[in-house]
Amino acid sequence: DIQMTQSPSSLSASVGDRVTITCRASQSISTFLNWYQQKPGKAPKLLIYSASSLQSGVPSRFSGSGSGTDFTLTISSLQPEDFATYFCQQAYSSSSVTFGPGTKVDI
Amino acid sequence: QVQLVQSGAEVKKPGASVKVSCQASGYTFTSYGISWVRQAPGQGLEWMGWISPYNGNTNYAQKFQDRVTMTTETSTSTAYMELRSLTSDDAAVYFCAREAFVGATNWFDPWGQGTLVTVSS
Repeated sequence: DIQMTQSPSSLSASVGDRVTITCRASQSISTFLNWYQQKPGKAPKLLIYSASSLQSGVPSRFSGSGSGTDFTLTISSLQPEDFATYFCQQAYSSSSVTFGPGTKVDI
Repeated sequence: QVQLVQSGAEVKKPGASVKVSCQASGYTFTSYGISWVRQAPGQGLEWMGWISPYNGNTNYAQKFQDRVTMTTETSTSTAYMELRSLTSDDAAVYFCAREAFVGATNWFDPWGQGTLVTVSS
């Protein structure tokens, strides 16, 4: 299976800060990488697909980049509603989907 | 709007089976796959497998290969996930998610609200 890691595991930031979360794959996955946001007690929500495509309805302060093994999710100006945990997911191997361990963002 | 609604919380004894349902609405059920993902308390997301409502084809994660069965009922646009021989390690929230394939890539959107499965004697 392709292993996914994320850093940091948690971070504290203030409203208006620029926040960057990193996701790394154990092998090259091209741009087959998705990002999800999960708030406590809720289901995950798709933010970014194919590494850099913004899902419809997601605020433009969210952006994704990267290819190969290294990817980033950036929140350009953190808002109070962005308090959540963020997961990356590799879509390179559809027969063995794996997620990163998550990054918890505290405001 | 596209929506997945799951069945309610379950409490099961060790060794029992659980069957969770996921009813889709707002789109053509047979045009998208359904994946199941679980999340143990305070833990990350674990993919369990996928089913195609179009033809019933399945792809299970190796970890669950021997204990899980995924099915669909197209007449009601409902997907089911049955997990057998439950242990305390199976206590988790179970999510269904619509899987969209575009070209060679895919993603999960939207997700069901989750079903809490408690395993306790």
